[in-house]
Amino acid sequence: DIVMTQTPLSSPVTLGQPASISCRSSQSLVNRDGNTYLSWLQQRPGQPPRLLIYRISNRFSGVPDRFSGSGAGTDFTLKISRVEAEDVGVYYCMQLTQFPYSFGQGTKLEIK
Amino acid sequence: QITLNESGPTLVRPTQTLTLTCSFSGFSLSTNGEGVNWIRQSPGKALEWLAVIYWDDDKRYRPSLKSRLTITKDTSKNQVVLTMTNMDPVDTATYYCAHRSFDWLIDYWGQGTPVTVSS
Repeated sequence: DIVMTQTPLSSPVTLGQPASISCRSSQSLVNRDGNTYLSWLQQRPGQPPRLLIYRISNRFSGVPDRFSGSGAGTDFTLKISRVEAEDVGVYYCMQLTQFPYSFGQGTKLEIK
Repeated sequence: QITLNESGPTLVRPTQTLTLTCSFSGFSLSTNGEGVNWIRQSPGKALEWLAVIYWDDDKRYRPSLKSRLTITKDTSKNQVVLTMTNMDPVDTATYYCAHRSFDWLIDYWGQGTPVTVSS
């Protein structure tokens, strides 16, 4: 199984400041078709997860452009350019390259 | 607009079988590339993928749970059913179904249904 490891597990951020979350996979997420199936999800308190970013760097419909994703192979990053109050929640990376699909442990974003 | 809604018992006894239904709209499981996943989240913990069923009735399961899981679809009713046998308190979790698009996104999630396993 592919293990996804996120850092940090908790991130206190000041409103308006940037935030960054890292995700590392135990093996390359490059699929045989050449795509890398790495997604980022946001889970606000009491809500189901919501897709933010897919295939490393593509923003899903309706996701603000302050969210961006980057990386390749086994190392990936989610960045929020200016944190807003509505961004509070837990962020997960997820790989869909190989079964069983797997998630990072989650990073809790909170406001200082 | 794609929506999914999970339903099932909130409480099951240990050793019983859990049956969950995902009712969806906005897509058809008879359309090439479409799929529905089941994912769970134990209280205060991370997410765990369980199973997926595709438009062509192909199925994949989490290997560690494969002997206990069965996923089926009813295309005419726009429903996917997950059964999990021999339930244990460690299976206490919120169970989500989620749409898998033709281009390999898990893009839309249901609200989730909480299941407690207790005697």
